[in-house]
Amino acid sequence: SFDLTQPPSVSVSPGQTATITCSGDTLGHKSACWYQQKPGQSPVLVIFEGVKRPSGIPERFSGSNSGNTATLTINETQPMDEGDYYCQAWDSRSAVVFGGGTKLTVL
Amino acid sequence: QLHLQESGPELVKPSETLSLTCSVSGGSISSSSYFWAWIRQPPGKGLEWIGTVFYTGNSFYNPSLKSRVTLFVDTSKNQFSLNLNSLTAADTAVYYCARHWDYYDGRGQRAAYFDYWGQGSLVTVSS
Repeated sequence: SFDLTQPPSVSVSPGQTATITCSGDTLGHKSACWYQQKPGQSPVLVIFEGVKRPSGIPERFSGSNSGNTATLTINETQPMDEGDYYCQAWDSRSAVVFGGGTKLTVL
Repeated sequence: QLHLQESGPELVKPSETLSLTCSVSGGSISSSSYFWAWIRQPPGKGLEWIGTVFYTGNSFYNPSLKSRVTLFVDTSKNQFSLNLNSLTAADTAVYYCARHWDYYDGRGQRAAYFDYWGQGSLVTVSS
């Protein structure tokens, strides 16, 4: 099966840059996307096609993809950015696959 | 603005079948541009894609759940639904419906993302 691996947690100070990675076999050849989920809420798409931001998502959110890793970068991280972040991609064997999620703490 | 709303039972007994419906408003489920999906999240755990259906009724499923899942649409009501049978406690989760974009990217690779989500429906499997 196709697996996407994320670090369980990432911590960052307010105003600093947060980096969340997502690793998977041949992920560099795929279009990954990212979701933000705050406690008790539904996930929100923050990056699609690896680098694109949906309307309404702040410019401080950006995505990149290299080798077997997709990366979500949050510049000038704010306390409101705290939550769980999930990567997701398509695989020919498994169809839609989500990463295990990363808890972002801003402190 | 597209709005999705899940409905169904909150409590289901083991071995029974779960039936959930997603009502779509603010847009037509019959568009040929996108699909409709179910995703679940066990308490305190990550997201798991269950399956996706097109307005024609064509569907595809998570291989790990395929034997127990059926998705179908009712275009007259602008709804799509999920049936999951042979329930166990492991099926306890928040069930989300979502709009599913499925496409081929600039490199010719198939890709997908979910841009609108319902609020989620907590289903507990317990006797």
